[in-house]
Amino acid sequence: SQKIEQNSEALNIQEGKTATLTCNYTNYSPAYLQWYRQDPGRGPVFLLLIRENEKEKRKERLKVTFDTTLKQSLFHITASQPADSATYLCVSPGAGSYQLTFGKGTKLSVIP
Amino acid sequence: DSGVTQTPKHLITATGQRVTLRCSPRSGDLSVYWYQQSLDQGLQFLIQYYNGEERAKGNILERFSAQQFPDLHSELNLSSLELGDSALYFCASSRDLNVGKLFFGSGTQLSVL
Repeated sequence: SQKIEQNSEALNIQEGKTATLTCNYTNYSPAYLQWYRQDPGRGPVFLLLIRENEKEKRKERLKVTFDTTLKQSLFHITASQPADSATYLCVSPGAGSYQLTFGKGTKLSVIP
Repeated sequence: DSGVTQTPKHLITATGQRVTLRCSPRSGDLSVYWYQQSLDQGLQFLIQYYNGEERAKGNILERFSAQQFPDLHSELNLSSLELGDSALYFCASSRDLNVGKLFFGSGTQLSVL
């Protein structure tokens, strides 16, 4: 069955460094992937969408890549700040479905 | 502010009871989605409505039902509540039938005691 996995439950990083989060998918080929940010007790907030024919997408300090060969998306936050601390969710439409499947998320902590 | 309004923010009830969660989508959005998020699980898709009609069902229990009204607000009804139903329930909306980008409300925290 199709799966979307975020391998790291948690990631701690020093302020100013680049945080890199990984999302892998198996048994299907999504037309696009999305990344959302979720703060405790709040709803997820959309950050970026990258399509399968796009290698890379950027928005301010955020960068997302999509590697269809590795079946993987990487999410980077450059010059990370404590305010970037949150859970980041990788999201994909399912095979033959428009419904979105959410990964379990990676909790990022940026340490001052 | 996403523009999606959910009420109530918190709900405490007892097992066996029935509750109704309410959602108003962003202005102009026709699709409404309900998701459940518990501590050990990611966001689980429950059900989608588009312009008043049910369009997709996910892992929604038979004890749960939903509807979308002509003014596009939606309600999620949870009945015969069990301890395991305690979770955060999110509503999200999008402009079209094809999902694309979702806008989430701030959720309803349901505690079943």
